[in-house]
Amino acid sequence: DTGVSQNPRHKITKRGQNVTFRCDPISEHNRLYWYRQTLGQGPEFLTYFQNEAQLEKSRLLSDRFSAERPKGSFSTLEIQRTEQGDSAMYLCASSSTPGQSSYEQYFGPGTRLTVT
Amino acid sequence: AQSVTQLDSQVPVFEEAPVELRCNYSSSVSVYLFWYVQYPNQGLQLLLKYLSGSTLVKGINGFEAEFNKSQTSFHLRKPSVHISDTAEYFCAVSPGYSSASKIIFGSGTRLSIRP
Repeated sequence: DTGVSQNPRHKITKRGQNVTFRCDPISEHNRLYWYRQTLGQGPEFLTYFQNEAQLEKSRLLSDRFSAERPKGSFSTLEIQRTEQGDSAMYLCASSSTPGQSSYEQYFGPGTRLTVT
Repeated sequence: AQSVTQLDSQVPVFEEAPVELRCNYSSSVSVYLFWYVQYPNQGLQLLLKYLSGSTLVKGINGFEAEFNKSQTSFHLRKPSVHISDTAEYFCAVSPGYSSASKIIFGSGTRLSIRP
């Protein structure tokens, strides 16, 4: 198992452009999470999927953000009409269905977005 | 709702000295508690977790933490630090039931080890 992978690792875009990030979770994990981390802060929850169903979205996730997990495997996070305030590290994590003996989210390396 | 407060944004320590990183949480329900470490330019790695049972939890790399329900704290300790422990440490909380989803993170404590 190679862990959670994210692509691209870095993305520089101009304000107003659309960007899409991809996350490949650990293969047997049915839960997938997206977080955003800005400089000097801890990660903030954005949304999560159980299989292909998006079960929760944070109020941080504006209408310009959309996430999908069409076949319950990989996920994409799209940001439309990017703004400078979107500059951050976008982290993906995956887990099996939580249970007391195994609850852990495994994080990917993140995609660093810079909006100029 | 849950929240996490990490009381120190930076902790400088000499190599081989002990260290304690402080964490307090707030929650109206029972919680799961975590400490994650983030090395420079790397993703988050779980150090240890408290789900239930013994309040003293041992993790990787010689770290341990103690859950104190009355003080709503989950402080991280290591008896002797190494240069390689230089990193950002995040305390985190999640609702303590099996359908729990998101983890709420603190703002982090930067541990810097001086030789």
